[in-house]
Amino acid sequence: DAGITQSPRYKITETGRQVTLMCHQTWSHSYMFWYRQDLGHGLRLIYYSAAADITDKGEVSDGYVVSRSKTENFPLTLESATRSQTSVYFCASSETYRGQGMNTEAFFGQGTRLTVV
Amino acid sequence: KNQVEQSPQSLIILEGKNCTLQCNYTVSPFSNLRWYKQDTGRGPVSLTIMTFSENTKSNGRYTATLDADTKQSSLHITASQLSDSASYICVVSETMEYGNKLVFGAGTILRVKS
Repeated sequence: DAGITQSPRYKITETGRQVTLMCHQTWSHSYMFWYRQDLGHGLRLIYYSAAADITDKGEVSDGYVVSRSKTENFPLTLESATRSQTSVYFCASSETYRGQGMNTEAFFGQGTRLTVV
Repeated sequence: KNQVEQSPQSLIILEGKNCTLQCNYTVSPFSNLRWYKQDTGRGPVSLTIMTFSENTKSNGRYTATLDADTKQSSLHITASQLSDSASYICVVSETMEYGNKLVFGAGTILRVKS
């Protein structure tokens, strides 16, 4: 199916474990993003990617790692999960045209609810 | 620090009534302003996108306004329905070297009662 999908939808893991959240989009969008959403906060950017093999940190990147070997996939890895990383994680994609002032839509996945115990 | 502030935090209205949600921002340089609707357990879905040169944008019963001089936006919902119960998020797009960075407000939780 076309769109952006995240897996798993729900995950419970133990402190110190490594866990990977998957994100897949079928539009061939250049840009992909990972956000976390916590009560009382707006979505906060963890990492983003402008294209395959190009990634950059967002405002809350500590403890997270990403990769983008293929345009359509953007996995997020928690290297050693901590309780503070309990959150809902959203992946998004968009096609932004640099320098042309076009307003492109960002499409979000359904989210992954991660609980670290 | 670039910020997006929304008010009120939460709101309860009766079905059929109108309401207005507010958004103030300090993001600069500014590319566009978006309003998203997020149903419980779902990802945000776009309602409107406005550039700095646009004053208003409508999407059905949703009308967004923008005053780029005062850095304020509002989302007006007319004839509310139970299905409008959701979180409404104001998002301002900050122009950066590699494209736009989205700065999110914390959202306004709207509950429509029958």
